[in-house]
Amino acid sequence: NAGVMQNPRHLVRRRGQEARLRCSPMKGHSHVYWYRQLPEEGLKFMVYLQKENIIDESGMPKERFSAEFPKEGPSILRIQQVVRGDSAAYFCASSPLPPKETQYFGPGTRLLVL
Amino acid sequence: DQQVKQNSPSLSVQEGRISILNCDYTNSMFDYFLWYKKYPAEGPTFLISISSIKDKNEDGRFTVFLNKSAKHLSLHIVPSQPGDSAVYFCAASAKAGNNRKLIWGLGTSLAVNP
Repeated sequence: NAGVMQNPRHLVRRRGQEARLRCSPMKGHSHVYWYRQLPEEGLKFMVYLQKENIIDESGMPKERFSAEFPKEGPSILRIQQVVRGDSAAYFCASSPLPPKETQYFGPGTRLLVL
Repeated sequence: DQQVKQNSPSLSVQEGRISILNCDYTNSMFDYFLWYKKYPAEGPTFLISISSIKDKNEDGRFTVFLNKSAKHLSLHIVPSQPGDSAVYFCAASAKAGNNRKLIWGLGTSLAVNP
């Protein structure tokens, strides 16, 4: 958890609303990964981004989910029209340079959809 | 299809004894393996890793063993301490073009009893 910031830590949304999760990588890191952990399950890869580029989004649901990592500012994971099944912990990780394998994680955002 | 398997969802060990956490994988292209530790309400923390060119890596109380022919790795913690109680994730990495992706196991919950 060395320096990766995520906010908010907890987010409550009603069905149909939008959720925006933010991630600021460690200083000097330009690669960001988003993971989702559903209750009673392991970490599932969602998307890998570099600045202004989506490198691998093979784990992203086809609809309602999007991610960006602009040149300036944090990475954003956006979930439109949330449903109860989106309730999970969303973790962001960063790394300095692929193919460096070690990723450093933030504390996560816990999304609850009512 | 789970490429990285942690077949024991939980493990209970007495303080001072050895904890052995196991991980099996199916993809022979994996060339780097990592163990992460996760406390409740926190993000995973990198613990120790091993390259496929090695069969053992040691860091203090933590040792990872890799058996490539069996596609099996294990994490040994000795002596175990109550503070080691956490969920341990095994992850494996393979190069995909210019990038790498971590594939995660579902985790093993370790309880170290005083």
